[in-house]
Amino acid sequence: DTGVSQNPRHKITKRGQNVTFRCDPISEHNRLYWYRQTLGQGPEFLTYFQNEAQLEKSRLLSDRFSAERPKGSFSTLEIQRTEQGDSAMYLCASSFNFDGSGNTIYFGEGSWLTVV
Amino acid sequence: DAKTTQPPSMDCAEGRAANLPCNHSTISGNEYVYWYRQIHSQGPQYIIHGLKNNETNEMASLIITEDRKSSTLILPHATLRDTAVYYCIVRVRTGANSKLTFGKGITLSVRP
Repeated sequence: DTGVSQNPRHKITKRGQNVTFRCDPISEHNRLYWYRQTLGQGPEFLTYFQNEAQLEKSRLLSDRFSAERPKGSFSTLEIQRTEQGDSAMYLCASSFNFDGSGNTIYFGEGSWLTVV
Repeated sequence: DAKTTQPPSMDCAEGRAANLPCNHSTISGNEYVYWYRQIHSQGPQYIIHGLKNNETNEMASLIITEDRKSSTLILPHATLRDTAVYYCIVRVRTGANSKLTFGKGITLSVRP
């Protein structure tokens, strides 16, 4: 069983450009989470999906951020008009949730974003 | 989710047991204790979780006090590769609010 896969692993972009990260969860996991982590801090929750439905968004997810999971499998996180403060590691995680019983959440290796 | 309190850092000698404490005095009856670790520049790695009984797997043991207000993660024979930030998290497993909420964790340094 493959783990959570994130691409690209590293991205350097100029301020004002758009970037998109992709996450492929563990097969058959119906929940998918996005987190952001800056240096010296623990991961911070951004949003999560149950299948294709986006069920919760953190206040950290400004209107420049958009996440999708169109077919309930892979997900994308797009950041528009990037700012230097967006520099961080973006983590994706997945779990299998059945009849309301949550299961263990597994993380990918993260996608590093540097905005210059 | 209930908050957890962990010391900021600790160290131990290679080959010895590492005992990482965590306080969660406001834990609710339906909240589980989860431990993750994060090695530098990598994603968090699941270690173990428990509700009220002690748990053991190939990576570690989890000891939860009878009143469930604190727990200890035990790495029985620490190696240099166990140097990481360890996060203790309490989490409900059912319902919409079952996401993980991370604190700052405890930095474990294993010395040769």
